[in-house]
Amino acid sequence: DVKVTQSSRYLVKRTGEKVFLECVQDMDHENMFWYRQDPGLGLRLIYFSYDVKMKEKGDIPEGYSVSREKKERFSLILESASTNQTSMYLCASSFWAIYGYTFGSGTRLTVV
Amino acid sequence: GQQVMQIPQYQHVQEGEDFTTYCNSSTTLSNIQWYKQRPGGHPVFLIQLVKSGEVKKQKRLTFQFGEAKKNSSLHITATQTTDVGTYFCAGGQFYFGTGTSLTVIP
Repeated sequence: DVKVTQSSRYLVKRTGEKVFLECVQDMDHENMFWYRQDPGLGLRLIYFSYDVKMKEKGDIPEGYSVSREKKERFSLILESASTNQTSMYLCASSFWAIYGYTFGSGTRLTVV
Repeated sequence: GQQVMQIPQYQHVQEGEDFTTYCNSSTTLSNIQWYKQRPGGHPVFLIQLVKSGEVKKQKRLTFQFGEAKKNSSLHITATQTTDVGTYFCAGGQFYFGTGTSLTVIP
């Protein structure tokens, strides 16, 4: 089974801190994604990547950046955390869309 | 981004009743995927539909893709408590509906 591992299940950070969320997948998938999930809003795409060093903005990229230096790892960076970035962050990977996405367990981030 | 609307947002059913959630897009979709997220869990891929009018079944779950490829539905026959969770559709690439949260009352 494909495994997508997110480094932290829960995080609490202070406003203004730089925050790194790490995601690693073990099945050589080209595509990786970062979503945030908020009640009533579903899953919203922040950034995605088709290949190493490639990144594309999703619907809500403001306040975030990403890094993909290796195929298996896709990092989400909050340059200066704010309280409105308190959310559940989900990483996903896929070989091609036809096989569906495999999600990590999520990181619940609280910014205080 | 692409808009994928999903209704209803919440549904409570008695165990044994049927359940349906609907997904609608204003634009034609190349494919539609369905996911289930158990409470406290993460979304898990259920199925993908690609062809116009396609119908697929997984035990008590029936998935349909509309003829115009702008809508889809997931129907669960005779719900069980194990069906509890939020069901998401994802249209085209990347864009998820807001989900339908299903509660099954024993």
